[in-house]
Amino acid sequence: DTGVSQNPRHKITKRGQNVTFRCDPISEHNRLYWYRQTLGQGPEFLTYFQNEAQLEKSRLLSDRFSAERPKGSFSTLEIQRTEQGDSAMYLCASSLHRTGSYEQYFGPGTRLTVT
Amino acid sequence: GQQLNQSPQSMFIQEGEDVSMNCTSSSIFNTWLWYKQDPGEGPVLLIALYKAGELTSNGRLTAQFGITRKDSFLNISASIPSDVGIYFCAGDTGANSKLTFGKGITLSVRP
Repeated sequence: DTGVSQNPRHKITKRGQNVTFRCDPISEHNRLYWYRQTLGQGPEFLTYFQNEAQLEKSRLLSDRFSAERPKGSFSTLEIQRTEQGDSAMYLCASSLHRTGSYEQYFGPGTRLTVT
Repeated sequence: GQQLNQSPQSMFIQEGEDVSMNCTSSSIFNTWLWYKQDPGEGPVLLIALYKAGELTSNGRLTAQFGITRKDSFLNISASIPSDVGIYFCAGDTGANSKLTFGKGITLSVRP
């Protein structure tokens, strides 16, 4: 299966700890996106990369959040000094950027619980 | 900011019935996407629409891109138990940057 993969699938952490999530996109896709989803809501955009360049960040992405895609392949999302309000599902998606095709394919997500 | 409206929040149908759901926006979108999400999993892309008025099918699913570019519709025909899940519409302004999602409609299918 060559879909989007995310690790870990679940993470429980204590408030104040740092956490890091990884996303491996579909191999030929050049764009990678991070979204956050809370219960009863649709996914909300956080940030996206084209190759290794981070092109847009949402206002939802506070200074405690940082994302990287160092070689234009996998990406990491780090949350420093976690707060209870950070508890959510963190979703990664990838797409092949080309004219006329704007389909984003999602991974299974990482469920974060901050206690 | 841009918002997509999906209602009702939940729908209950009998197996074998058809169901329609729509998604509206106050803003124009150039691409409409429909996703299905099962509990604890990521959204799965069902249908993508790129032109106003476009009607696209994927098996028992049919979706339409509204002519005003401010709405989209999804129809599921002859529902089966595995159609249970949360259906999200999502819009893209065409820059292939960020998707704006609705809150989703939870579909239940009674056998």
